[in-house]
Amino acid sequence: DAKTTQPTSMDCAEGRAANLPCNHSTISGNEYVYWYRQIHSQGPQYIIHGLKNNETNEMASLIITEDRKSSTLILPHATLRDTAVYYCIVRLRNRDDKIIFGKGTRLHILP
Amino acid sequence: EAGVAQSPRYKIIEKRQSVAFWCNPISGHATLYWYQQILGQGPKLLIQFQNNGVVDDSQLPKDRFSAERLKGVDSTLKIQPAKLEDSAVYLCASSPPNREGAYEQYFGPGTRLTVT
Repeated sequence: DAKTTQPTSMDCAEGRAANLPCNHSTISGNEYVYWYRQIHSQGPQYIIHGLKNNETNEMASLIITEDRKSSTLILPHATLRDTAVYYCIVRLRNRDDKIIFGKGTRLHILP
Repeated sequence: EAGVAQSPRYKIIEKRQSVAFWCNPISGHATLYWYQQILGQGPKLLIQFQNNGVVDDSQLPKDRFSAERLKGVDSTLKIQPAKLEDSAVYLCASSPPNREGAYEQYFGPGTRLTVT
């Protein structure tokens, strides 16, 4: 079973910041938080990952709470192309640890 | 760089028939994965290869599913015989060597299988 809890769906206006929450209250000390997204009819796409510090890349920012029991993925200026299912995943940062996908959050960007 | 390639993109077969899917990972990626994604659910790992060896096939229904990765590059996933509940998207992914240790996976577009 997935170790994370996410809202089923969210809406966000185009051009605004999209903030996607994720709860992972049973995360262990050496597990990372990964985010992937899946646009319709495509395979999942890696977005970002982090351990305990906030992370930012060209796609998004990841904010992890100090107790590491929850995190937020931030898309700073959402566009229609960001409409997708977003998966929050907790896993070890090694090759052999499985990615266990939950149902994710279906994000709708509204024009 | 070229992404993960999969073929065919779509396949319709009748139950009890056989089907095979092909995957070509990103060049240089030693780790290859096959996932099954049923409509409305997240992908579920079926099998993981490291080069041409199996790392994890605990969720592969071995009575009807088989996979191989000859020469540690391309891979095929076969279903024989297919059941109605095998209707799903079959995703292939690959993972780069441990340059920076992120172990993110890169997914192909998938093959949509419909069993009638």
